[in-house]
Amino acid sequence: AQRVTQPEKLLSVFKGAPVELKCNYSYSGSPELFWYVQYSRQRLQLLLRHISRESIKGFTADLNKGETSFHLKKPFAQEEDSAMYYCSLGGSSNTGKLIFGQGTTLQVKP
Amino acid sequence: EPEVTQTPSHQVTQMGQEVILRCVPISNHLYFYWYRQILGQKVEFLVSFYNNEISEKSEIFDDQFSVERPDGSNFTLKIRSTKLEDSAMYFCASSLTLSSYEQYFGPGTRLTVT
Repeated sequence: AQRVTQPEKLLSVFKGAPVELKCNYSYSGSPELFWYVQYSRQRLQLLLRHISRESIKGFTADLNKGETSFHLKKPFAQEEDSAMYYCSLGGSSNTGKLIFGQGTTLQVKP
Repeated sequence: EPEVTQTPSHQVTQMGQEVILRCVPISNHLYFYWYRQILGQKVEFLVSFYNNEISEKSEIFDDQFSVERPDGSNFTLKIRSTKLEDSAMYFCASSLTLSSYEQYFGPGTRLTVT
């Protein structure tokens, strides 16, 4: 079964501290993984995708197939990073279906 | 910057009534989706739509649900006979291609079934 697990509902850190939002997935085949973010009162938007290996707003995420993980990391959190973060998996059917994890609220305290 | 829009932002309806949730995708996008999020739960895929046909639907998307693109700009989700458990936030999304999975989401419609 295709599944995405985000074990933490809430992650609270102080400004300047490192952040790691955990994501594990279950998928048979070559997964396509993404992080979507929802800032307060804004819509869900794509933050980054594993295939482009990019850093967006200082965030990076590495796909670890051995551990079936796609954790989101940032070395120094900023207050404006406070948001809900969703890890998601592209479904295998090539119809654009996205499978989301439960989401983790990141709270960055001043 | 173009955005996906959804109307209404909040809909209250009685159990058994029909509701239509409306979405206007980004104009040059070709693929359209509905997701829902029950309060406190994860965002769940409902249906994807391309070339005037459903490409994939989830188990949630039973005979009570239907989608339509009636006029080339709107994309609607109809629930024929609402149940209490249909209460959720419904998100519309659109994308230009499939391969990038970059979907642009609307702000959502909160559906409350009483």
